[in-house]
Amino acid sequence: QSALSQPASVSGSPGQSITISCTGTSSDVGGYNYVSWYQQHPGKAPKLMIFDVSYRPSGVSNRFSGSKSGNTASLTISGLQGEDEADYYCSSYTSSSALKVFGTGTKVTVL
Amino acid sequence: EVQLVESGGGLVKPGGSLRLSCVASGFTFSGYNMIWVRQAPGKGLEWVSSISSNSGYTYKADSVRGRFTISRDNTKNSLYLQMNSLRAEDTAVYYCARVRKYSGHEPGDFDYWGQGTLVTVSS
Repeated sequence: QSALSQPASVSGSPGQSITISCTGTSSDVGGYNYVSWYQQHPGKAPKLMIFDVSYRPSGVSNRFSGSKSGNTASLTISGLQGEDEADYYCSSYTSSSALKVFGTGTKVTVL
Repeated sequence: EVQLVESGGGLVKPGGSLRLSCVASGFTFSGYNMIWVRQAPGKGLEWVSSISSNSGYTYKADSVRGRFTISRDNTKNSLYLQMNSLRAEDTAVYYCARVRKYSGHEPGDFDYWGQGTLVTVSS
């Protein structure tokens, strides 16, 4: 099972919006609404930001939003802030024996 | 406040064994599925093994099948990972995480994470 494909890095200025893509196949991202996104600051544990494509857990800022089109899911961060600088990983349920696959990760830099 | 605290990591030789522990607090441990997720140095995330709330079923990644065993003791609010026949590629930070209720799929989504424990497999 191959990892989901994400851009290695995305950057933006404070206040701007950025979008991170997560590309899979019809066996994972495209086939199920079970895409989630995790934020990880350096040396810290990951944090769940989005589940089921577009739902935010309690306490997560509404500046974070998720969507999906075909085999590609997206995480959008609006009103970019310095604290958003981190690595972001998507994940999806997969119909393969792997059950769940993560993305390659995207480093977000706030300029 | 939900807290997950891992322990048991360290340096082990290839072929050796190690047992990781995770103590949970701040929530009803027996009501949640739990999981171990690992992250090799500088790499991405990989789920390792999950266990249902009452230990009724477990799942394992293909990469650890036959070598790692997950278990839990709800009386001690504790999760374990017995790792045998360790390989260099098992070197990683191992995180204990709680599976979000009503995830709708296995192994689910992970809504709380511990800080991790480093396992290094090297001669």
